Amino acid sequence: DAKTTQPNSMESNEEEPVHLPCNHSTISGTDYIHWYRQLPSQGPEYVIHGLTSNVNNRMASLAIAEDRKSSTLILHRATLRDAAVYYCIREIYNQGGKLIFGQGTELSVKP
Amino acid sequence: DTEVTQTPKHLVMGMTNKKSLKCEQHMGHRAMYWYKQKAKKPPELMFVYSYEKLSINESVPSRFSPECPNSSLLNLHLHALQPEDSALYLCASSRSSGGAGTGELFFGEGSRLTVL
Repeated sequence: DAKTTQPNSMESNEEEPVHLPCNHSTISGTDYIHWYRQLPSQGPEYVIHGLTSNVNNRMASLAIAEDRKSSTLILHRATLRDAAVYYCIREIYNQGGKLIFGQGTELSVKP
Repeated sequence: DTEVTQTPKHLVMGMTNKKSLKCEQHMGHRAMYWYKQKAKKPPELMFVYSYEKLSINESVPSRFSPECPNSSLLNLHLHALQPEDSALYLCASSRSSGGAGTGELFFGEGSRLTVL
């Protein structure tokens, strides 16, 4: 199965780090991993993506396991605006932009 | 301008109607996408256009007909839909698709379709 596996929901406290896990045990060596988030009544918003190395940007960090069978999205300090559904996505290599969304993790952030 | 604009935001149609959803971007992106999203579910890929040519059709029924008239515009023509086709239809664009990674997709806010 090409889809990724994520917990249905997670809770976090404001200003604490959040680690969102994703399993992709059948991933090939050339498939990228993407993360997007979706707020209610909005389209998905890009967060980060990577292939093998850990990646950082202004929004988050992406830690990819050495065997690439799992990855973790890290939000360093959660804010109330980070409450959203976070999707872990597998990009199928060489299939022209074929991004397959996982079921998503609904993140709630408590003040 | 980093926007993908979708119109209309809401559409109600009968099963015998013909309607179209429109999507526009002015970021110079050469790949455009249609996704379908049912309530509480993740988006599902329908079509990918790369350089104005259809590159991926995820076995979508022929009552959905995509069209890419130019590099900035993407249409989805709808005909003889069923009530189960009611969903949020999302358009997205990216600089390119495939190869060494697609990079960032920019999504519109979607068109919410109700089929009666």
